[in-house]
Amino acid sequence: NAGVTQTPKFRVLKTGQSMTLLCAQDMNHEYMYWYRQDPGMGLRLIHYSVGEGTTAKGEVPDGYNVSRLKKQNFLLGLESAAPSQTSVYFCASSSWTSSTDTQYFGPGTRLTVL
Amino acid sequence: DAKTTQPTSMDCAEGRAANLPCNHSTISGNEYVYWYRQIHSQGPQYIIHGLKNNETNEMASLIITEDRKSSTLILPHATLRDTAVYYCIVRRNAGNMLTFGGGTRLMVKP
Repeated sequence: NAGVTQTPKFRVLKTGQSMTLLCAQDMNHEYMYWYRQDPGMGLRLIHYSVGEGTTAKGEVPDGYNVSRLKKQNFLLGLESAAPSQTSVYFCASSSWTSSTDTQYFGPGTRLTVL
Repeated sequence: DAKTTQPTSMDCAEGRAANLPCNHSTISGNEYVYWYRQIHSQGPQYIIHGLKNNETNEMASLIITEDRKSSTLILPHATLRDTAVYYCIVRRNAGNMLTFGGGTRLMVKP
């Protein structure tokens, strides 16, 4: 199992450009999440999905859109990048049971917006 | 979900036990205590979780007080590779978001 993978690992954008970050998981998990982490801070939830075709807003959703067309993939889009979106982006997935809900994280995407 | 309070940083000698405390005085009866860690620049890694009883796995032990208002994560024989930020998170189960606070930066020294 590869677990949770993220593409790309690094990206530099100019203000106003758009891009899509891809998250893929091979654990057949129902739930997927996108977080951002700014320097010296904890992770903050951007959007999440509880199943194929469904998405919901997290703590800091503004400026981002997401899509979950396939169960194994969760896409994060930036339509018009801003310097404030410079951050490290982590994707995670989990499979809910009655006793545990452990999230498995990807290695992160380091995004710089100039 | 209940808020948690952790020390900002801690040091531990290599080979010794690392005891990381967490206060969660407003925890509700159906909320679990989860611990994750983040080694420099990597994605967070699940360590352990519990509800009421003490728990142990291959990575660590979790001691939860009887009133559930605080807990301690124990790394029995810390190594240099355990240097990381450790997050204590209190949450209900079933797809809720993980709310990461500042965590405790553990430095294991030779």
